[in-house]
Amino acid sequence: EIVLTQSPATLSLSPGERATLSCRASQSVSTYLAWYQQKPGQAPRLLIYEASNRATGIPARFSGSGSGTDFSLTISSLEPEDFAVYYCQQRSNWPPSLTFGGGTKVEIK
Amino acid sequence: QLQLQESGSGLVKPSQTLSLTCTVSGGSMSSGGYSWSWIRQPPGKALEWIGYIYHSGSTFYNPSLKSRVTISVDKSKNQFSLNLSSVTAADTAVYYCARGVILVRGVLINVWFDSWGQGTLVTVSS
Repeated sequence: EIVLTQSPATLSLSPGERATLSCRASQSVSTYLAWYQQKPGQAPRLLIYEASNRATGIPARFSGSGSGTDFSLTISSLEPEDFAVYYCQQRSNWPPSLTFGGGTKVEIK
Repeated sequence: QLQLQESGSGLVKPSQTLSLTCTVSGGSMSSGGYSWSWIRQPPGKALEWIGYIYHSGSTFYNPSLKSRVTISVDKSKNQFSLNLSSVTAADTAVYYCARGVILVRGVLINVWFDSWGQGTLVTVSS
């Protein structure tokens, strides 16, 4: 099973600052990586798919990059509504598996 | 707009079977290009994928849960269901149903989840 390790576990920033979240895979997943945002009491929301494609309706301040084993989600300038937990997710073919990372919490400093 | 809604028992006794149903509205489950998934989240913890079913009826389960999981589909009702047997307290979680977008390139398959239900809390307790 491919393991996704997200870092840091918690990121303390102020509105307007830039946030960079990391997701590292235990083996290559090509660009088969997605990012989700989850707020308390809500279901996750898709932000990014295939490593760098923004989902419908997602603001341009969210961007994804990376391939192979190292990926990043960047929020260029944090808005108050961006403070939440973020998860990465992979779907690999060899071996076939689907896993989520442990999450990064972006909190207000 | 696609909507998914979980339903089922919120309290299950240890060793019994957890059963949930997801009703899909605003779209047909018979459309190709999608999978229909169950994902769970224990209180205060990360997301865990349980498994999914294609519109064809074929399934793909998390290896760690495979021996206890069955996902089935009733396309006539636009519903899919989860059965998880022999539950313990470790199965206490919010259970989400979700639609997975499938992208196939040759023999390679990618899946990401673009629509989610609101989630339902299932507690395993005597």
